[in-house]
Amino acid sequence: DVKVTQSSRYLVKRTGEKVFLECVQDMDHENMFWYRQDPGLGLRLIYFSYDVKMKEKGDIPEGYSVSREKKERFSLILESASTNQTSMYLCASSLLSGTGGYGYTFGSGTRLTVV
Amino acid sequence: KNEVEQSPQNLTAQEGEFITINCSYSVGISALHWLQQHPGGGIVSLFMLSSGKKKHGRLIATINIQEKHSSLHITASHPRDSAVYICAVHNNNDMRFGAGTRLTVKP
Repeated sequence: DVKVTQSSRYLVKRTGEKVFLECVQDMDHENMFWYRQDPGLGLRLIYFSYDVKMKEKGDIPEGYSVSREKKERFSLILESASTNQTSMYLCASSLLSGTGGYGYTFGSGTRLTVV
Repeated sequence: KNEVEQSPQNLTAQEGEFITINCSYSVGISALHWLQQHPGGGIVSLFMLSSGKKKHGRLIATINIQEKHSSLHITASHPRDSAVYICAVHNNNDMRFGAGTRLTVKP
């Protein structure tokens, strides 16, 4: 069964901490994505990556960075966590662009609370 | 204005009722997805469609490309259908999401 696995379901961090959210997929997908989901706003794209060591900013990259050293792993980094980054974070992966989103698969999400 | 609009935002139904969730979009797309998110966060893809109609069990999804509109129907609704349903449109490598419709089906 194909999977996108996020390392933590729930996290509580303090303001100013450096936070790492990990995502691993076992489908050999080229594309990986990080979203945050907030009530009334839907999913918003933070960063995506279409290849190892490649990254592109999404709609709301401020306060975040990413790392993709291996094809199967895409990490989201909050350099200095703030309370407005309290949210649900979802990772997704998909096949190459131009495939109409075929194989778009989401992880189970990480609910991050920054106190 | 959001590129993907869903209605209603919240929907409460009695078990057995026929349910319709609507999605309108304003951008060109290559495909439209209907996603289901249960409490706890995991998202599951229900349908991906680019034309016409698809059916899976009690779920039916339709799309009208000319009108830029899609509907998700649930027949004989059940409490286990309670979830957030999200419409998402896809164009090349860009995916845009609606805000979701929270469905509660009461026994």
